[in-house]
Amino acid sequence: DVKVTQSSRYLVKRTGEKVFLECVQDMDHENMFWYRQDPGLGLRLIYFSYDVKMKEKGDIPEGYSVSREKKERFSLILESASTNQTSMYLCASSLEETWRTYEQYFGPGTRLTVT
Amino acid sequence: KQEVTQIPAALSVPEGENLVLNCSFTDSAIYNLQWFRQDPGKGLTSLLLIQSSQREQTSGRLNASLDKSSGRSTLYIAASQPGDSATYLCAVRGGSYNTDKLIFGTGTRLQVFP
Repeated sequence: DVKVTQSSRYLVKRTGEKVFLECVQDMDHENMFWYRQDPGLGLRLIYFSYDVKMKEKGDIPEGYSVSREKKERFSLILESASTNQTSMYLCASSLEETWRTYEQYFGPGTRLTVT
Repeated sequence: KQEVTQIPAALSVPEGENLVLNCSFTDSAIYNLQWFRQDPGKGLTSLLLIQSSQREQTSGRLNASLDKSSGRSTLYIAASQPGDSATYLCAVRGGSYNTDKLIFGTGTRLQVFP
């Protein structure tokens, strides 16, 4: 089974702190994604990565950056946390197979509260 | 811009009922559609994925259909159980200007009571 793990289930940080959210997958997937989920807004894509050291902006990249130094690990960075970044953060990965499935597998999520 | 809508937003049914969850999307040029389940405070579990060339997929008591031309998908749950209580999300990949991303609906929150 594919396993996607996230470093923390719950996190509380103060405004202005630098925050790192870590995601690791164990299936050698090329693609990795970071989403945030908010009531009434659904899941929105922040950043994604097709390969090591590659990254692409999603729909709401402002206030975030990412790092992918190794294939299995994709980090989301909040350079200076703000209260409007309080949310559930979900990481996902997928195997890119041309002409075949593009099923995304999700981690358990990190509930981040910025006070 | 691809938009995904799920109706109803919430549904409460007695155990044993068969039920249908609806998902619609505005741009029919999709690659595939995926149904997920999310328990409160948890991540997403993939239930079914339908490729654009397929009409339906089945897994146990779940059956998902896809009518790409009309921009609709349904998730049919047979003989519902309290353990089916969760939020169900659909997501599409693709669209005329969006070939790489999953676009999610806001979900249907299902409660099955004994």
